[in-house]
Amino acid sequence: DQQVKQNSPSLSVQEGRISILNCDYTNSMFDYFLWYKKYPAEGPTFLISISSIKDKNEDGRFTVFLNKSAKHLSLHIVPSQPGDSAVYFCAALSKAAGNKLTFGGGTRVLVKP
Amino acid sequence: NAGVTQTPKFQVLKTGQSMTLQCAQDMNHNSMYWYRQDPGMGLRLIYYSASEGTTDKGEVPNGYNVSRLNKREFSLRLESAAPSQTSVYFCASSLLRTGGNNEQFFGPGTRLTVL
Repeated sequence: DQQVKQNSPSLSVQEGRISILNCDYTNSMFDYFLWYKKYPAEGPTFLISISSIKDKNEDGRFTVFLNKSAKHLSLHIVPSQPGDSAVYFCAALSKAAGNKLTFGGGTRVLVKP
Repeated sequence: NAGVTQTPKFQVLKTGQSMTLQCAQDMNHNSMYWYRQDPGMGLRLIYYSASEGTTDKGEVPNGYNVSRLNKREFSLRLESAAPSQTSVYFCASSLLRTGGNNEQFFGPGTRLTVL
């Protein structure tokens, strides 16, 4: 049973427009939610995170929103740039469970020039 | 400062062969992790080591063993490789703190094919 799900395997967006990536989770005990970005043949790199006690965190072009009642979070990228084309993973951290990260299946984003 | 390094980058094995994947970090992190990535499955935790001298099973530990050699190094061993272990393997490390998101830093990965 997947505790973290990214239901959209791919997303295509025009350069300059907004990219919205979604993630759902089932475990209310997660402490943090993190987004990672992955280019082909490289390891994932950390992008942005949000504490479970917050509902929004912003860092430059990237904003993450958390809706605890719906167990849903989203990553907004504005404006989207061609260099944003990558696979994005949502991950949830449980400190009580040994600080383990549980990952979603990923969303492949393609930003068209 | 190299971050997290992994060797080898690529490996092809025959069914039943054994091998060890090496991982090292130079960030003085206390925790280290091994994941596998399969298409559509995201990253799944195989084993982790919260601190030097401790190891614990993750989500998919069967067929693997690990050794936390020292604070810097964490190796993953396949004793008898099977085609189902064909995957990309990532090592990660993090500095566990009471507060904060305990962000994990990943290595570049090892692409393993078992024939």
